[in-house]
Amino acid sequence: EPEVTQTPSHQVTQMGQEVILRCVPISNHLYFYWYRQILGQKVEFLVSFYNNEISEKSEIFDDQFSVERPDGSNFTLKIRSTKLEDSAMYFCASSEAIGDLGDYGYTFGSGTRLTVV
Amino acid sequence: QQQVKQSPQSLIVQKGGIPIINCAYENTAFDYFPWYQQFPGKGPALLIAIRPDVSEKKEGRFTISFNKSAKQFSLHIMDSQPGDSATYFCAAGPDNFNKFYFGSGTKLNVKP
Repeated sequence: EPEVTQTPSHQVTQMGQEVILRCVPISNHLYFYWYRQILGQKVEFLVSFYNNEISEKSEIFDDQFSVERPDGSNFTLKIRSTKLEDSAMYFCASSEAIGDLGDYGYTFGSGTRLTVV
Repeated sequence: QQQVKQSPQSLIVQKGGIPIINCAYENTAFDYFPWYQQFPGKGPALLIAIRPDVSEKKEGRFTISFNKSAKQFSLHIMDSQPGDSATYFCAAGPDNFNKFYFGSGTKLNVKP
């Protein structure tokens, strides 16, 4: 079964450093997302991306965050200057289609655990 | 403001029991209501989803009941098994899938 692949599985970084979280969505999917989950809490939306541009972003997704699809396969989330409160599990997701085209939902990756020290 | 409220926070049932997890949403513009199952160390996996034009949907042992007027929906797991032990999240959002609001999760433990 096709998977969304995320690397690394765990990243530890110093406060103020830049991190790049990488994702390889399912190959025929067109819609890409980042969500995060602070330990023990609910999953929170960060950003959605389609056709090489951001479709929607949350209030969490401030100027410190950016997303990019640098080539035909990767989808990255960059945090420019990490803060302690950025520590969370970051999930990438992709979707083949949306809306009444079908019951596709999202396929999530296994996540990258980011620890900011 | 919590867009989606989920209860209970945790649930313990015996094998064969029928755990029920409830969610309530705020925004009447929401058109798509998925349930996700998450095992430790894994990402959420889509279990079943419903749109507001139907009141119930079944897939295998999983059933969603949907009450549009009350803005509530629930997940029922028939004949629950120890392998169903996981955290379950409800979510709600627009039909364009642009953004989902997740509930706070229910940790289910099915005892053998």
